[in-house]
Amino acid sequence: QKEVEQNSGPLSVPEGAIASLNCTYSDRGSQSFFWYRQYSGKSPELIMFIYSNGDKEDGRFTAQLNKASQYVSLLIRDSQPSDSATYLCAVGLTGGGNKLTFGTGTQLKVEL
Amino acid sequence: DAGVTQSPTHLIKTRGQQVTLRCSPKSGHDTVSWYQQALGQGPQFIFQYYEEEERQRGNFPDRFSGHQFPNYSSELNVNALLLGDSALYLCASSFGTSGQKQFFGPGTRLTVL
Repeated sequence: QKEVEQNSGPLSVPEGAIASLNCTYSDRGSQSFFWYRQYSGKSPELIMFIYSNGDKEDGRFTAQLNKASQYVSLLIRDSQPSDSATYLCAVGLTGGGNKLTFGTGTQLKVEL
Repeated sequence: DAGVTQSPTHLIKTRGQQVTLRCSPKSGHDTVSWYQQALGQGPQFIFQYYEEEERQRGNFPDRFSGHQFPNYSSELNVNALLLGDSALYLCASSFGTSGQKQFFGPGTRLTVL
């Protein structure tokens, strides 16, 4: 079992729709959760982080964390073609310093 | 406010050579972590530097070594390069060492021939 799992996609959504990206993790000692966006040929860009159970909203982005079920999700409302990218889920362990374990990413395509 | 910077942007080496990659953290940050990202994969943690010491290390051989300077900048050294070391090397900076937000630099693309 991989430590952090994501569906590789591609996930295709029409412009204006809600994109839902999911991530599961195996270590119950995980304490910090991050979503990065990576355009092709570029480095990852931090877009959301969450530490506590529940929802966290920032603009068009909502991160959701459920520690009991060991999943974290990212919702993108009013998806735009510029949102087309690979979304990486990253998880940090309690006592793990700043070490992040990444999933392989989900490719999102927003179609006109 | 300068973000994380890395140099060089691209590098081509041959097997057996040694390489040094450089990183300057975001202003106000004191911790640097290095990651390796192979094509189609997520970044893999190499190590983390804080107060000029290696604080954590991922599952990488000791051919990978690093250094942090008093101004918080950092170097990643890789000896005896293998073809499999070809990847995007990413530096991430943060303030503090415990589950902090990390911001990535643009990366160095290393190709080993």
